[in-house]
Amino acid sequence: AQKITQTQPGMFVQEKEAVTLDCTYDTSDPSYGLFWYKQPSSGEMIFLIYQGSYDQQNATEGRYSLNFQKARKSANLVISASQLGDSAMYFCAMTSGYALNFGKGTSLLVTP
Amino acid sequence: NAGVTQTPKFQVLKTGQSMTLQCAQDMNHNSMYWYRQDPGMGLRLIYYSASEGTTDKGEVPNGYNVSRLNKREFSLRLESAAPSQTSVYFCASNSGTGVQPQHFGDGTRLSIL
Repeated sequence: AQKITQTQPGMFVQEKEAVTLDCTYDTSDPSYGLFWYKQPSSGEMIFLIYQGSYDQQNATEGRYSLNFQKARKSANLVISASQLGDSAMYFCAMTSGYALNFGKGTSLLVTP
Repeated sequence: NAGVTQTPKFQVLKTGQSMTLQCAQDMNHNSMYWYRQDPGMGLRLIYYSASEGTTDKGEVPNGYNVSRLNKREFSLRLESAAPSQTSVYFCASNSGTGVQPQHFGDGTRLSIL
């Protein structure tokens, strides 16, 4: 069985600062994918970034990067130059096939 | 660019009533999914359809049925709604080939009284 753990229920960051949201995972599958989703207060789920278990390079998408440490089974999301619009819930998820398994999320508040 | 469209956006039911949540995607995706999200939780998979003509149970299938009507549409039915099914329901889709990101609809907020 796969398990995703997000240990930070809530985080604060000042505008323009960088922030790291933690995610650890557990799986016995050799091939898997790791994802981060953003859920603003309006409720929709927005796909941010993806990392495959065999990818050598850490994924980056604009201000988002995924710090993938396979030996530690961690897949932390780094948001650079935070903006007020980044305030939201952030979910880490993984899959080895079809179903996405989600963590409980981290609430990020960006302050001026 | 519609992506994944869910209807309705909000619904209130009485215990024992039935209803069907509709989902359609216009991305030519093979696989479709239904999740529920309860307060303070991540999403949990109810059912999925890996391809047209197939459906499989997820983590929390009890009390639900699904129909993959065609490649575009995947519906979720509550036959006899219970208060424990009060939740936000999300439909998602992806290409289903390899490990691909799932793209979500905006959700249906369902309350069972």
